Amino acid sequence: QKEVEQNSGPLSVPEGAIASLNCTYSDRGSQSFFWYRQYSGKSPELIMFIYSNGDKEDGRFTAQLNKASQYVSLLIRDSQPSDSATYLCAVNMGFGNEKLTFGTGTRLTIIP
Amino acid sequence: DAGVIQSPRHEVTEMGQEVTLRCKPISGHDYLFWYRQTMMRGLELLIYFNNNVPIDDSGMPEDRFSAKMPNASFSTLKIQPSEPRDSAVYFCASSFTTGPNHFGNGTRLTVT
Repeated sequence: QKEVEQNSGPLSVPEGAIASLNCTYSDRGSQSFFWYRQYSGKSPELIMFIYSNGDKEDGRFTAQLNKASQYVSLLIRDSQPSDSATYLCAVNMGFGNEKLTFGTGTRLTIIP
Repeated sequence: DAGVIQSPRHEVTEMGQEVTLRCKPISGHDYLFWYRQTMMRGLELLIYFNNNVPIDDSGMPEDRFSAKMPNASFSTLKIQPSEPRDSAVYFCASSFTTGPNHFGNGTRLTVT
């Protein structure tokens, strides 16, 4: 069983709709959760991080964390073609934030 | 802030040759990470340093791989001898203690 799992997609969403990306993790002791966006041929770029159960909003992005169910999700509202990328979920499996385990990513395509 | 700087951007070498990848972390960051990304395996952590000291090298695939961090502003990842299966994009990232990883632009390595 992989430690961090994501649906590889591709996930296609019409422009203006809500894109929902999901991630599950295996270690109940995980403390910190991150979403990275990676455009083709580029490096991962941090979008959001969340530490506590519940929702965290930043502009069009909302991260949701449910530690009891061991999942974290990312919602993108009013999706734009520029949101088309691979989204990587990363989880800290240790005590601090120093070591991250990444999922294999979900490829998102926004259809104009 | 110049970000994490990696060199070279691209490296093409023949099997059996030595390859050295270089990284300059963000000034003031105390953690440095080396990752490898392939289509098949996604983003994998190879090794990370804290205050120039290697903390966890469990992700280093074989003895052919070695990494050093002689000072706070420089790190190298060396592969000797290189093999075709080492072809991948290698990312260096740095962070400040409790912060998320900031990635460099990566080195695309091709071993023929």
